[in-house]
Formats: sequence, structure tokens, C-alpha cells
Amino acid sequence: GPKVLQIPSHQIIDMGQMVTLNCDPVSNHLYFYWYKQILGQQMEFLVNFYNGKVMEKSKLFKDQFSVERPDGSYFTLKIQPTALEDSAVYFCASSTQNTLYFGAGTRLSVL
Amino acid sequence: GQQVQQSPASLVLQEGENAELQCNFSTSLNSMQWFYQRPGGSLVSLFYNPSGTKHSGRLTSTTVIKERRSSLHISSSQTTDSGTYLCALEPGYQNFYFGKGTSLTVIP
Repeated sequence: GPKVLQIPSHQIIDMGQMVTLNCDPVSNHLYFYWYKQILGQQMEFLVNFYNGKVMEKSKLFKDQFSVERPDGSYFTLKIQPTALEDSAVYFCASSTQNTLYFGAGTRLSVL
Repeated sequence: GQQVQQSPASLVLQEGENAELQCNFSTSLNSMQWFYQRPGGSLVSLFYNPSGTKHSGRLTSTTVIKERRSSLHISSSQTTDSGTYLCALEPGYQNFYFGKGTSLTVIP
């Protein structure tokens, strides 16, 4: 089936540093998403993105977060600066016709 | 508030038993999707089911919009079915909210 690729699979950084999580969505999809899941907890919506713009974001999408997809390259989630509570698995998804496809996630560990 | 409620939170079955997982939602529905999350974390789409009943092997999904619920039935469970089952609601257009999931353990 369609594949969403996420790079890297695991990232370890020190608190206060910047991190960029990369996502390669399914090629003909137009809507992109980031979700956050702390171990053993609920999958939480962060943001969705369409036509170069953020369409909707949740309370979890703090001012330190930003997303972009410059000219068909990776869809990225940048966190600057990171905080301890940002440690989680971040899932990227893309969709077409109401069906979500997920990447395998990036496990972010903030020390 | 919580738009999507899943029950039960956890379930333990003997191999061969059937399971019924429920998803109730408090808002209007544009679409509903069921996922299986492997113990390692990756998600597999099981059903896109905005209404009616769909079948896939031992799995059956039924969504009743008027009653604001969707169910996932697993027949003849196997140990490889163990994991977390998530439902995701699309209340509007192209925005999806998840329930907390049902953790299923199938013992041999």
C-alpha cells in the first residue's frame, strides 16, 4: 500500500536545542498531518497542512513548533527550542479522500 | 472535550474467542477509520468506514451514524491480533481525532 516515510526513526537531543523531523508523504496526497503520542498514551492531533498552509492546529502545537513543505520536498516539523515534555513519538500522516496513511514515527528523546 | 470514546480500555482473550470493540463519538461524523497499532508503535489502517458494515477476513466494522457509534468485531482471535486498536473520527473535513484505544491481549 501507500507509504509515508519518516526520517530519522529516533532522535536524541539536549533540551533547548532545535530539532527537525522529516516526513515524505504519499506522492499524490494533498493533506499532511503531525500527531504526537507519549508512550502508552493517546494519539494527539498537532496540526494539519494543505496547499502550503496550516489549516488547523491544536493546543499542543506550541509557538515553538512550525511546519513547512518547501516545493515538494519533505514535510517537516521543527521544534525550537525543545523542552523535556516534547519527548514522544511523532507520527506523520497524509491523506486523500478521507483515508489517513501513517509513517512509522520518529521517537524524540529530549534530555 | 473528548470527542471519541473507546471501550473497553483493555481486553484479554483466549485464542479463538471473539472480540467486540466499541467507538462512540459526540460530534457529527464525516468519516470514521479503524487502525491497528503494533506493539512497536506503527499503525496499520484496517477500515475506512463512514457508514454501514464492511468485512475484511476475520474483521468486521459497523458504523451507525444515527447512534454515533462504530464497532470492530474480531472473530476467532489469534495471538498475532494482540496490540492496540484505535478509531479515528473525522468530524469535519480532513481533520482526524483519535480515541484512547483498546489494548487487546490474546493468550494461547
